[in-house]
This record gives sequence, C-alpha cells and structure tokens, in this order.
Amino acid sequence: RKEVEQDPGPFNVPEGATVAFNCTYSNSASQSFFWYRQDCRKEPKLLMSVYSSGNEDGRFTAQLNRASQYISLLIRDSKLSDSATYLCVVTPNTGNQFYFGTGTSLTVIP
Amino acid sequence: GAVVSQHPSRVICKSGTSVKIECRSLDFQATTMFWYRQFPKQSLMLMATSNEGSKATYEQGVEKDKFLINHASLTLSTLTVTSAHPEDSSFYICSATDYTTDTQYFGPGTRLTVL
Repeated sequence: RKEVEQDPGPFNVPEGATVAFNCTYSNSASQSFFWYRQDCRKEPKLLMSVYSSGNEDGRFTAQLNRASQYISLLIRDSKLSDSATYLCVVTPNTGNQFYFGTGTSLTVIP
Repeated sequence: GAVVSQHPSRVICKSGTSVKIECRSLDFQATTMFWYRQFPKQSLMLMATSNEGSKATYEQGVEKDKFLINHASLTLSTLTVTSAHPEDSSFYICSATDYTTDTQYFGPGTRLTVL
C-alpha cells in the first residue's frame, strides 16, 4: 500500500469556483503534513502546512483528520494562477524524509 | 529565504556514461539531504537520504551501486547516476532541511535525458 494516496484528477474548474482535494495516508504515526504546489517542470514549493486544528491562509484552507487518516485542501475563489499540481506530503514519525502523493492536477478555466 | 541549488539543471548524455548531480544548500547547513526522482505525470519518489559524513540510506528498490550518493560537507550532496540508461531519464530533485526553521527546501531539479 502506498504511503500517500491522492486523486490525480484532473480537476478543471471555472474561475471563482471552490475546489477541494483529499489525500489519505497509511501510517497512523505520521507526524507532519503539508500541501505543496508544483508547476510544470518545476520543483515543488510549500503551499501550507496542515495542523491538527485546521488552518487557513487566505483562500486556502487545510484540514487534518487523524482518525480517518486524511488531509484536505480547499481553494476558494479559484484564480487562473492557481492552475498547478497540488501534492499532499506526509512525514513519518522519524527522520525528515517526505512521502508524496501522486499530485492532483488543477486547471482553472477563464 | 533559504535556497537550495542544483547543478546542472539539464543534462543529456549517452547510454553507459555516468552523470553527477550536485545539490547545495546556499545559506544554511544541512546534515541531511534527500534525493527524489519524478517520472512524467507521476509523483516524486524518495530515492535516498543523504547523511553528512556517513553512508546514505536508500529506499527499497533503489540500487545503491547505481545511484552513488556522497555528502562530504554540510552544504553539498552529490548524486551520481552510474552507467546511465534510457530508463534512468527522469527529473531528479534534492531537498535539504534547515533545522533552525524546521523547513525543508527543494532544489530546482535536474532533468536527465539518456539517449
């Protein structure tokens, strides 16, 4: 079983729409959770960390559900510039290596 | 902010040659760096953990004799793809953790094409 699983999409949404991505992880002892954004042919860049209590950064909201072992990312009022691949990232209880989901492709359409 | 660089950004080589990729943390020391590989339309896959001054730890299925990792200083790790073959063509990304901020930074990646 993969460490992290994501729906690859693609998600094609109109500007202004709200879109949500989910990601499940297999290791219940996982310590840290993140959402990264990766543009085509570029390295991933941190979008936001995911905290147990949930957290919000502008139009982006991240949630963690430890009982069900999933994290989510909600994007409100989508912009064209939000088009990218969103990667769910989990770190195990030891070390700092990251395990990535396959990424969810988002295209925001004018 | 902290920056991680990789060199080269792109390399094209003939089958059978070896290719060295450098990963540098530019303004912080990294005792641990990580090497990832990403095939088209797939996720990043962790290949190995590079530890300064000691042997790298490889993920299951990654051949340590084919992917040589050296982490000789606190700011530099190298990945050498030995006797590269077309199936090794991929996007290789390194990352390093700045423990002062507990943040992991990724290099810009190296696109390897083996002909």
